[in-house]
Parts: sequence; structure tokens; C-alpha cells
Amino acid sequence: GNSVTQMEGPVTLSEEAFLTINCTYTATGYPSLFWYVQYPGEGLQLLLKATKADDKGSNKGFEATYRKETTSFHLEKGSVQVSDSAVYFCALSSGSARQLTFGSGTQLTVLP
Amino acid sequence: EAGVTQSPTHLIKTRGQQATLRCSPISGHTSVYWYQQALGLGLQFLLWYDEGEERNRGNFPPRFSGRQFPNYSSELNVNALELEDSALYLCASSYLQGSYNEQFFGPGTRLTVL
Repeated sequence: GNSVTQMEGPVTLSEEAFLTINCTYTATGYPSLFWYVQYPGEGLQLLLKATKADDKGSNKGFEATYRKETTSFHLEKGSVQVSDSAVYFCALSSGSARQLTFGSGTQLTVLP
Repeated sequence: EAGVTQSPTHLIKTRGQQATLRCSPISGHTSVYWYQQALGLGLQFLLWYDEGEERNRGNFPPRFSGRQFPNYSSELNVNALELEDSALYLCASSYLQGSYNEQFFGPGTRLTVL
């Protein structure tokens, strides 16, 4: 079956630090990959996506590259801000199973 | 364009009661998904409806059920509530196109079972 393994948190960084959150997956077929963000007290927002190997998703300074050879989709940002503090979820959708399979989430706190 | 809406925002019930949660998808979306976000358990898939039919369900007991109406809105029903059903219930919608499935989430309903 499908599964997503995500870097455990919490992660605490200083403002302007470099961020990496690791995500690896197991899936049948060729999945689409997503990063979602959840701000305190809110639902999930799609941050970025990639639908095929070597695609790079990007949004708001965040990037992730779909690596089929390493089954990975690591999230990166060159310079984090306090407003990036949230929980980040890696997820996949594969084949006829349209539901999303999520990783466990990574709590990010950015200190001024 | 209006996003996915859910009601109520909060719901408090006692053990053994029934809860009904509602979701309205984005206009033009035919698929609705329900997820449970319980403390310490992450996000787990509950149910998927498309064009009025249940297409798939996650590993949850039958007391979790739902339906999708002709206008594509959806209802999640939880019968015989247990304390561990306390969670944030998230609804998402999407428009199926090929193999790409981008889901848009609502703000969730916080269910508390006392």
C-alpha cells in the first residue's frame, strides 16, 4: 500500500535560516506528490505539488523536487520567516485510490 | 470563488450520541473526501464520495458513514460516539481530471465527545 514517511519534529529555527523537511514515500504506480501547510486553528492549505518525476513544485519561496530514484519529495526554503511557523504535511495520491495519504506532519517554529 | 465550507465549526456531544457534520465543496467539484485528524494520530482518510456514490472508505468502523447529495454537498454521520472520536474532521473537494488529484480543504469541524 501507499505510505509517506516524514521527518519528525518539532523543528525550531531562527529567522532567515535554511529549512529542509525530509519526505520519502512508497506507492504503487506513479503518484502525485503534495506539501500541505496547516496554520494554528486552521484547515490545510496546498503549498506546492508535483505530478511526475523531476517536476519541481514551488510557492512562497518553498520548493520540492519529485525524485523517483530516491522516492523523495523534500521541502526546502532558503530563508524562513516567523510567519512560516506551522505544521507541514507531505502527502501523495496514487492511481485509482484518489484519497491522500499523509505523513505524520512536522511542526516548524521560527523564532525572531 | 468560494472555498470548501464546513458546518458546524465546533460540536460537543456525549458518548453514545450521534453527530452529523456537513460539507459544501467548491463549485464544479464533484468529489468530496473526509479525513480525521485526531491528536497524535495524524491525518487519516475516512470516506470518498464522487457523483453521489461512495467510492472508497478508510479503515474505520461502519458507525462512520455519510452521503453525497445531488448538489455534491456531503454529510458525515458518526453513530454511537466514543471518546476517541474526538478530533478535527476535515472535508476536501476536487475535480477528477486524469491522474491528477488536487484537493482543497475546508476549515474543519472540531468534534468533542464527553
